[in-house]
Parts: sequence; structure tokens; C-alpha cells
Amino acid sequence: DTGVSQDPRHKITKRGQNVTFRCDPISEHNRLYWYRQTLGQGPEFLTYFQNEAQLEKSRLLSDRFSAERPKGSFSTLEIQRTEQGDSAMYLCASSLAGQDKNIQYFGAGTRLSVL
Amino acid sequence: AQSVTQLGSHVSVSEGALVLLRCNYSSSVPPYLFWYVQYPNQGLQLLLKYTTGATLVKGINGFEAEFKKSETSFHLTKPSAHMSDAAEYFCAVRQTGANNLFFGTGTRLTVIP
Repeated sequence: DTGVSQDPRHKITKRGQNVTFRCDPISEHNRLYWYRQTLGQGPEFLTYFQNEAQLEKSRLLSDRFSAERPKGSFSTLEIQRTEQGDSAMYLCASSLAGQDKNIQYFGAGTRLSVL
Repeated sequence: AQSVTQLGSHVSVSEGALVLLRCNYSSSVPPYLFWYVQYPNQGLQLLLKYTTGATLVKGINGFEAEFKKSETSFHLTKPSAHMSDAAEYFCAVRQTGANNLFFGTGTRLTVIP
């Protein structure tokens, strides 16, 4: 069990560019979550997958954001036409449905800076 | 609507002193409750959780928390602070049947040598 892995750890981009982040969950976990954390705040929920199905999306997830989990394993989060307000830490978490009340385990995050 | 309030965005304690980080939640029914710790430039690590059963729960690194339904609180304590405890601590709730965690704004703990 190598834990939740996120790549890249840091991303610097210019406003208007597209960026994509990857998350590899704990191998047997069938649920995967994305959160966003801005400076001085707690993480805020963005979206949730069970296997390959995206079952829930927050109102924070604007049209410029899209998340996929095509084979029910790793997931990608893409932000199109980035804005300075997108600068944040993007956290991925995973859990196993029905195990220990679906405890969520977090990765180290991808820190996005939009210049 | 649920909310999580962490009183004190910054807490400083001397090494060896008691650590008390406060968390209150608002919810129509008792949710599941969690404390996570975040070290600089890292993700969140689960310290402890309350789901059902015993209201005093013990976690890693000597931390514990007590769920008090009447006070809608889940305060985090540690009898003796270590320098390595310096970090940001987040209280979080999850409603039964819900999938996402709802976090407080965090408390930054500083340990003074």
C-alpha cells in the first residue's frame, strides 16, 4: 500500500493555459475525491467518483473544470483557461466503500500557481 | 446546513504543556467527526475519528478527542506537546449518508521550546 499519489506536486502556469493533474488512489479503493484548499482555509469538496462514475459535483466545480476516472483507477482533474483565482492546493483522497465508515486518505496535493 | 467552527486560528503552547484545539459543529444529527493534521507542503493525515461507540477516541501521536453531543463539540487534546506537533490541524465532519467531508478553517499550532 503506497498511499494516495498525486502528480505533479507543483505546477506554475500562465493565466489562460490549461493544466491537468493526476491522482492515483490506494489500489483497492473504489472511491476517489477531489478537494481544493486555498491559503488559510480548510479543504473544500469538488467532486467524487465511485469506480468510474462521477456521482457528485460541487457548485465550486465550474464549467472550466473537468474530472475523469476512465477505468475506475487513477483520476485526472483538468482546468481549462486558468485564472488567478484557481491558484490553490488540489487534494485527492480515496476510500473503500463500506470500510471503516469510508475513511478518506489524502495525497500530498498539487499546488497550482497561476501567474 | 452543516458547519464546523474551529475557535482560534492560531494556538501557541510551550513544549510539554497541554494542547487543546477546539471544534464545534452544527448538524441536525450527530455526524461522523474527524481530526486531520497537515504539515507544511503536505497533504492531510488522519489523526483520529469518531463514528459510533465510545465518545472518547484515541488517535496517533498521543492525541485524543471527546465527542460531546450536548455541546456539539469534538475538541482535540494532548497532555504534553512536542516540537514535532507544530502543524495545521483541521476538524472535519461527514453526515451519515453523505460522501464528502466538510472542514473547518484550521488551527495552526505552534510549540515554543
